[in-house]
Amino acid sequence: GAVVSQHPSRVICKSGTSVKIECRSLDFQATTMFWYRQFPKQSLMLMATSNEGSKATYEQGVEKDKFLINHASLTLSTLTVTSAHPEDSSFYICSAPGGAANYGYTFGSGTRLTVV
Amino acid sequence: QKEVEQNSGPLSVPEGAIASLNCTYSDRGSQSFFWYRQYSGKSPELIMSIYSNGDKEDGRFTAQLNKASQYVSLLIRDSQPSDSATYLCAVNHDQAGTALIFGKGTTLSVSS
Repeated sequence: GAVVSQHPSRVICKSGTSVKIECRSLDFQATTMFWYRQFPKQSLMLMATSNEGSKATYEQGVEKDKFLINHASLTLSTLTVTSAHPEDSSFYICSAPGGAANYGYTFGSGTRLTVV
Repeated sequence: QKEVEQNSGPLSVPEGAIASLNCTYSDRGSQSFFWYRQYSGKSPELIMSIYSNGDKEDGRFTAQLNKASQYVSLLIRDSQPSDSATYLCAVNHDQAGTALIFGKGTTLSVSS
């Protein structure tokens, strides 16, 4: 079946450093990738939408200079959290439409980011 | 503001019972409706999708959609302890391609 491989699964970084999260579609082309953030006991909140070959679209309240998104190819989208702070600690999940039956969405396995 | 509302629970049912999970949405233009199951620390996994009014059954799961009432539900028959998880309702505007909007999820606990 369709797979979106997300790495790393867990990362701990120091405050002020940057962290890159990668999502690769393994057996289908993901022209679009959605990036979500989930705080404990909260829902998945859409942060941004990346499209291959164009600039990402950010949701209201999400700092585009802090959360850099690059969709370099039809199989790779990356999210870089720049100058991370403890409040950025969260569970980040990518999702691509298609690659599944019934207009489904394929989710990455998520990245648990902890900023210390 | 497009919103998806769910009762956060927890919803507790004994093993073998029927669990009923409910969801309402604000955007009348919504076209596609999904139920996901999420275990703690894991990514959501698709349980059911539904696009038309009425019921859709898949094994122990039945999704029900009422677009006039902007309401979608999930019934789990013969609940098992392994069904204990958070169930997320998700909605999008088009049948394909646009981002899903998620509810906060309902935590289900099935006791043996």
